[in-house]
Amino acid sequence: ETGVTQSPTHLIKTRGQQVTLRCSSQSGHNTVSWYQQALGQGPQFIFQYYREEENGRGNFPPRFSGLQFPNYSSELNVNALELDDSALYLCASSLDPLAATITGELFFGEGSRLTVL
Amino acid sequence: QKEVEQNSGPLSVPEGAIASLNCTYSDRVSQSFFWYRQYSGKSPELIMSIYSNGDKEDGRFTAQLNKASQYVSLLIRDSQPSDSATYLCAVNQAGTALIFGKGTTLSVSS
Repeated sequence: ETGVTQSPTHLIKTRGQQVTLRCSSQSGHNTVSWYQQALGQGPQFIFQYYREEENGRGNFPPRFSGLQFPNYSSELNVNALELDDSALYLCASSLDPLAATITGELFFGEGSRLTVL
Repeated sequence: QKEVEQNSGPLSVPEGAIASLNCTYSDRVSQSFFWYRQYSGKSPELIMSIYSNGDKEDGRFTAQLNKASQYVSLLIRDSQPSDSATYLCAVNQAGTALIFGKGTTLSVSS
């Protein structure tokens, strides 16, 4: 158990709909990173939030957006869902922004599995 | 496009054997290298990190790094059925992201 919780664990949406995924970070961690993991692929970086601001973004379109709250929890929003958005969405918390890349100490939640029909 | 390449496997080894997992990366400026283990239906967990050329040992695991060849490997000695999982190689990218490979699936038979 990493102390990182994500909700919902599974959900099914149809093309064009919008989805919000939630993540509570581990106690003491102020940084949250979101990754998308398609079936049979490694996780792909979506973006990172630090102190309620986006602090780096991967190659994802603007319809992927996020928020971080004062308690460091975070949301990932995806608008205009496409079939290719079907994936496991992983939230990972870390002590600070550089901890994720210097020490690799990313603590992942169990993920939200999104299916888009 | 910075990339991390892994043989997807599956890699099958008998219990007690040495499993060797390999990874190459394209970005020469990468400084930090990681191996994560992901059990089926679970999230990745960090098992090894390595930053300088050579070997780093932790119990049954040994990570090897060769920056000149842009090559990282993970050796698992005395493989156990509980080691059966997907092993993800990850490399830091300048900034805040890790770049992951697709993972190698390891199956250890008893």
